[in-house]
Amino acid sequence: GENVEQHPSTLSVQEGDSAVIKCTYSDSASNYFPWYKQELGKRPQLIIDIRSNVGEKKDQRIAVTLNKTAKHFSLHITETQPEDSAVYFCAAPNKYNFNKFYFGSGTKLNVKP
Amino acid sequence: GAVVSQHPSWVICKSGTSVKIECRSLDFQATTMFWYRQFPKQSLMLMATSNEGSKATYEQGVEKDKFLINHASLTLSTLTVTSAHPEDSSFYICSATLRHQGGQPQHFGDGTRLSIL
Repeated sequence: GENVEQHPSTLSVQEGDSAVIKCTYSDSASNYFPWYKQELGKRPQLIIDIRSNVGEKKDQRIAVTLNKTAKHFSLHITETQPEDSAVYFCAAPNKYNFNKFYFGSGTKLNVKP
Repeated sequence: GAVVSQHPSWVICKSGTSVKIECRSLDFQATTMFWYRQFPKQSLMLMATSNEGSKATYEQGVEKDKFLINHASLTLSTLTVTSAHPEDSSFYICSATLRHQGGQPQHFGDGTRLSIL
């Protein structure tokens, strides 16, 4: 399947600071990249996504950037709050079935009050 | 819109038991659904693609005779873990997309926590 690498595996920041999580993918034909937030024992929830025809998308404190040439995309969270603490996953689609996704290994974000 | 319901949310059973998990799209039709497995502190691992009216397609390393998938209608897919053993204990979660085309987010069910004693 698609090779999706995610870094870092854990990230600890002070409340109010910014957090950045990065993912790389292997298939250059991939055209859609979602980010999910998962709280303990719950379903992953889509927080932002980006399509390959744009380089950046922003939604309030959350933004995603995409570098198609380098095949990587990043999640940026500004002014972090304790409720942002969770595990974040990136995903990239399978090159033969764009509805089928492979997930990164996850980043546990801890926002310290 | 795009609500996916999964049942049961929690199962505890003895080794050797077969367990069926249901995944329903409540307000849309899903020709394709996906089944994932998530071990503690790990990522979601895609197990198989459930195709309405045809056989499921399994990811490499996933035993199709162990994890039986049935997608008999446009709103229901089931995953049966046959003869479950303690190593099958995990969080199983399904998802579906709104349209059978690329560039759409996955909508996840609430997941099923399976514990095999």
